[in-house]
Amino acid sequence: ILNVEQSPQSLHVQEGDSTNFTCSFPSSNFYALHWYRWETAKSPEALFVMTLNGDEKKKGRISATLNTKEGYSYLYIKGSQPEDSATYLCAPKAPRDILTGGGNKLTFGTGTQLKVEL
Amino acid sequence: DGGITQSPKYLFRKEGQNVTLSCEQNLNHDAMYWYRQDPGQGLRLIYYSQIVNDFQKGDIAEGYSVSREKKESFPLTVTSAQKNPTAFYLCASSATSGGPWEQFFGPGTRLTVL
Repeated sequence: ILNVEQSPQSLHVQEGDSTNFTCSFPSSNFYALHWYRWETAKSPEALFVMTLNGDEKKKGRISATLNTKEGYSYLYIKGSQPEDSATYLCAPKAPRDILTGGGNKLTFGTGTQLKVEL
Repeated sequence: DGGITQSPKYLFRKEGQNVTLSCEQNLNHDAMYWYRQDPGQGLRLIYYSQIVNDFQKGDIAEGYSVSREKKESFPLTVTSAQKNPTAFYLCASSATSGGPWEQFFGPGTRLTVL
């Protein structure tokens, strides 16, 4: 089981603030990193899948970067809005799962719970 | 519309009873997964299947069983051997070939053991 850490555990920001969270994972056992957003009463929804060191992906006001050498990824939200309130989950995928037939087996972190207030 | 359905949304079980949670997908995905969520913990993988008639244990398979007789369906049975079955259960599916494909999730089933 991969050791995945997300910080902070929770975050309260004001509307319009920019914010970022961190996902840490073992750099020695990396194949890909997924980010998901999970809004209350809805299903988790994929934001990004990243594989290359230095990768940067963007979707609207949300972007993510990846550092596979040091084992971390940042998720940034620019100009937070109330609709951004959700739990953000990261999930690394190890290469040994590919080799042993583990397919798309992911290990999820505990998430960062974001609350954007008016 | 393509997606994943889970039923029921809420389920109550008496101790000692087995119960089966349904998961159906029409996304034509080969892989399907079952996760469990408990307060303060991340999603933990129970079982997964990459192809029909094949499945593998995840990190917390004890007390659970699955079957994969059809591509569209991946039911999870919570047996009486599961010591602490009260939790929120999520089913997901994904493609398998060509890369680290994102997973698509169902709405979940909340199981409460009385």
